[in-house]
Amino acid sequence: EPEVTQTPSHQVTQMGQEVILRCVPISNHLYFYWYRQILGQKVEFLVSFYNNEISEKSEIFDDQFSVERPDGSNFTLKIRSTKLEDSAMYFCASTPLTANTEAFFGQGTRLTVV
Amino acid sequence: RKEVEQDPGPFNVPEGATVAFNCTYSNSASQSFFWYRQDCRKEPKLLMSVYSSGNEDGRFTAQLNRASQYISLLIRDSKLSDSATYLCVVNDGATNKLIFGTGTLLAVQP
Repeated sequence: EPEVTQTPSHQVTQMGQEVILRCVPISNHLYFYWYRQILGQKVEFLVSFYNNEISEKSEIFDDQFSVERPDGSNFTLKIRSTKLEDSAMYFCASTPLTANTEAFFGQGTRLTVV
Repeated sequence: RKEVEQDPGPFNVPEGATVAFNCTYSNSASQSFFWYRQDCRKEPKLLMSVYSSGNEDGRFTAQLNRASQYISLLIRDSKLSDSATYLCVVNDGATNKLIFGTGTLLAVQP
């Protein structure tokens, strides 16, 4: 069964450092997303990406965040200068179509900022 | 009012019990509704989509009431392996983002 894969599974970084989280969405999917979940809290939308550009972003997704699809398979989330409050699970997701279709999530990257 | 609201639980039930979870959503323009399951520190996994006519998948039944903006999930004959957090998820309506509830924790006990 096709799946969304994310690397690394766990990343520890020092405050102020840049991190890049990587995702390989399901190959025939068209929409890609990043969500995050702070420990003990709900899953929150960060950004959606379609046709090589951001289609929507949340208030959380400020200038410190960027996304890129550098080739035909990878989808990355970059945090330029990490803060302690960026510590969370980051989930990548993809859907074949928009809206009325279920999203498939990767296993997540646990980011710990120290 | 929260966008998607769920009772956080925990729901502690014995094996074999029937348990029901409820969820309300605030955006009347929402078009798609889902129940996801999340195990501790794992990714959300789709359990089932929810349709206005109601739908059933084995021991799981989901219902949607658009007029009341209310979604439910019924689990019959609970198994130990059903222990997880159940997430009520609604699409935004205007966009393709998903709005998650805080989840309801289910603990099925032997």
